[in-house]
Amino acid sequence: GDSVTQMEGPVTLSEEAFLTINCTYTATGYPSLFWYVQYPGEGLQLLLKATKADDKGSNKGFEATYRKETTSFHLEKGSVQVSDSAVYFCALSVNTGGFKTIFGAGTRLFVKA
Amino acid sequence: EAEVAQSPRYKITEKSQAVAFWCDPISGHATLYWYRQILGQGPELLVQFQDESVVDDSQLPKDRFSAERLKGVDSTLKIQPAELGDSAMYLCASSLELGLMNTEAFFGQGTRLTVV
Repeated sequence: GDSVTQMEGPVTLSEEAFLTINCTYTATGYPSLFWYVQYPGEGLQLLLKATKADDKGSNKGFEATYRKETTSFHLEKGSVQVSDSAVYFCALSVNTGGFKTIFGAGTRLFVKA
Repeated sequence: EAEVAQSPRYKITEKSQAVAFWCDPISGHATLYWYRQILGQGPELLVQFQDESVVDDSQLPKDRFSAERLKGVDSTLKIQPAELGDSAMYLCASSLELGLMNTEAFFGQGTRLTVV
């Protein structure tokens, strides 16, 4: 079935370090791919998305490229800040007679000053 | 900015009691989702509505959970009777879904349920 696998956390980085959070997916057809972020005590917010192969989604310095050949959508940021500390969820949306969004387990990021 | 509204934000209930959550999606969004998020895990889809119709409730524990969206707008999720294992964050989301370009889900802030 359709699924999303992302790297386990927590990931702990110092401020200004480079961030990569790996995400791979399994899906029938051609899914849209998303990264959501969840700050403590809040609901999920869409961070970025890509709807077709080779698309690059970007927002707030984060970016991810839809790689169909490796079924991946890794999240990257060149220089993290303390305020980026949150849980990051990779997700896909697939049409199964109605669009369904499936989430990975989440990766918690801690950024130290 | 339009947002998904949920209430209450927090709910503490005793096991075997009934509890209900309410969600008002973004205006014009035909699709509404209820997710359950257990601490440390990703959201798990409980039920998905397209307008007033259920399109997926395969993961909804139907012996105790029910959901409705009578007029295709706001929705209620009910648990009766609540069990200790139901303690979780219950998230509502909606999406526009006009083709592949608009399938992202917009989430409310959630209802954190604690069953004691």
